[in-house]
Amino acid sequence: SQQGEEDPQALSIQEGENATMNCSYKTSINNLQWYRQNSGRGLVHLILIRSNEREKHSGRLRVTLDTSKKSSSLLITASRAADTASYFCATVPYGNNRLAFGKGNQVVVIP
Amino acid sequence: SQTIHQWPATLVQPVGSPLSLECTVEGTSNPNLYWYRQAAGRGLQLLFYSVGIGQISSEVPQNLSASRPQDRQFILSSKKLLLSDSGFYLCAWSVRAGWDTIYFGEGSWLTVV
Repeated sequence: SQQGEEDPQALSIQEGENATMNCSYKTSINNLQWYRQNSGRGLVHLILIRSNEREKHSGRLRVTLDTSKKSSSLLITASRAADTASYFCATVPYGNNRLAFGKGNQVVVIP
Repeated sequence: SQTIHQWPATLVQPVGSPLSLECTVEGTSNPNLYWYRQAAGRGLQLLFYSVGIGQISSEVPQNLSASRPQDRQFILSSKKLLLSDSGFYLCAWSVRAGWDTIYFGEGSWLTVV
């Protein structure tokens, strides 16, 4: 099934720095979504970007989508300790009504 | 507003024992309902999804089953647990019409011993 692959899989940064994560996928998609998971908790939806969109913002989050490269990036600006979590991308492929998740990207923000 | 409840939060079960995880959604009608499993350090695997009462689609062959006895109730079951069933189970819902935002419960930690 379609899955996103996040890169890097683990990231450690200082508070105040920006964190950038990438996600690649294999087939054409309807939309791509980013979720956050705090340790031992459920996932929380962050942002959805549709296949005809190239960039979206939500607060300190910026998501880009390059359908020609089949990739997306999530940028967290001015990171905070509370941003420490795992971040997952998920895709909905054309013609396949499944939301498939990648393995996640663990981000640690050091105060 | 919509809420999703999932229980129990944690359980330890012996091999061969039965399992029942329950999930209910409030504040919406006719939701799509999902069960995901997350093994340690891994992504999420879709186990089952349901678009209506009594309608269950299974994504992977396994030792588990799901049922939807009411519109906003989704149950994950097993008759005999295996060690490999250990993991973090997440119930989720979305608007019936499509695969936009999925809303997750807080998860259930299952350890089979």
